[in-house]
Amino acid sequence: QVTLKESGPVLMKPTETLTLTCTVSGFSLSNVRMGVTWLRQPPGKALEWLAHIFSNDRRDYSEFLKSRLTISKDTSKSQVVLTMTNVDPLDTATYYCARMPARTLVYPYYYMDVWGKGTTVTVSS
Amino acid sequence: DVQMTQSPSSLSASVGDRVTITCRASQNINTYLNWYQQKPGEAPKLLIHGASNLQSGVPSRFSGSGSGTDFTLTISSLQPEDFATYCCQQTYSSFTFGQGTRLEIK
Repeated sequence: QVTLKESGPVLMKPTETLTLTCTVSGFSLSNVRMGVTWLRQPPGKALEWLAHIFSNDRRDYSEFLKSRLTISKDTSKSQVVLTMTNVDPLDTATYYCARMPARTLVYPYYYMDVWGKGTTVTVSS
Repeated sequence: DVQMTQSPSSLSASVGDRVTITCRASQNINTYLNWYQQKPGEAPKLLIHGASNLQSGVPSRFSGSGSGTDFTLTISSLQPEDFATYCCQQTYSSFTFGQGTRLEIK
């Protein structure tokens, strides 16, 4: 069974650095067909994609946030880590990680097929 | 950026009803469109990918159609467990989501 679980701080102060960890099971981060993506959803707002990483260490970031984001993985620990610098109250959200199969010539679509339940982060002074 | 607009933003329906939710892209996205179901406190669930491909394990009462800029998610006969929020996602250029459609019991 494939599962993903997010962990991180519940409460942060503005300007701090947020570190979120996604621990996966049921698949390997070295699987060339699989990647992991981070997303967030502020209260009452739409989901927002943040970043993703694949087994070959290829990474992509939201253009809007890429100056503040770093995504990395530790295959031996089955973990994907997202750091966000200089947090602001606008970063208050539920943060999700999800598995994202790599697209292929046969099936050129990205989709997030298994999600974690999310972790809620509040930024407040 | 590709903007995704869903309609309606909320919808009331009864068990057994046929329901259609619409998603419109701000530019042509071919069939790079996914649909997800969200319930409070639960992980979002993938329903449809590539505009019309049913994810494994998803009931066949769910279907998706469309290409270019206009897409629909149809639930052919609502079941009690289908009352949730549904959102679309484009993956043609980066990734953006619609704001969601809340499906409520009438």
